[in-house]
Amino acid sequence: LAKTTQPISMDSYEGQEVNITCSHNNIATNDYITWYQQFPSQGPRFIIQGYKTKVTNEVASLFIPADRKSSTLSLPRVSLSDTAVYYCLVGDQAGTALIFGKGTTLSVSS
Amino acid sequence: DAGVIQSPRHEVTEMGQEVTLRCKPISGHNSLFWYRQTMMRGLELLIYFNNNVPIDDSGMPEDRFSAKMPNASFSTLKIQPSEPRDSAVYFCASSLRSRSGHNEQFFGPGTRLTVL
Repeated sequence: LAKTTQPISMDSYEGQEVNITCSHNNIATNDYITWYQQFPSQGPRFIIQGYKTKVTNEVASLFIPADRKSSTLSLPRVSLSDTAVYYCLVGDQAGTALIFGKGTTLSVSS
Repeated sequence: DAGVIQSPRHEVTEMGQEVTLRCKPISGHNSLFWYRQTMMRGLELLIYFNNNVPIDDSGMPEDRFSAKMPNASFSTLKIQPSEPRDSAVYFCASSLRSRSGHNEQFFGPGTRLTVL
């Protein structure tokens, strides 16, 4: 399984755009990049997934450069409710287990 | 669907006692995962099943931990005997394994275990 590296923590203010970058230098050809979000006292929940270029949904955007060795989760105009831990994971389509690790703790202040 | 159901939500026990955590996955899902989360180690995968068969249990910390999935709608994680260092939040997750697309995992609310 490809290993990922992401910042331990980030701080932001309401209304700002937040970009969390994840490194995955040994990503395999069949691997997808997936991000999960975890609020306190809850289990993680799926945010977004991509293979290359850009993916956007109602919650976030995911930018993946051509070499796929990194990816950036972009949260537009964050609010206090976006305070959570964000996990970057890499794995193939077959559903093999993903490694969550410690993620990035995002703190949004007013 | 009610989502992934875990019980109990909280468990306090004394060192040496047996602890059994229970999980009911989402109906129709064929993969089930047990995780443990602590501040020090983050979210760790303990074991996962596909079609009720254990596929990878390399994350199970010791022989004191065991997991079973007797059918598609029920799984247990047992710790015997329990130790204070087992205190953590234990999550169960399920997914529908398919050949295309991401196998999104749906997590339960977790069981907070405290071993005194």
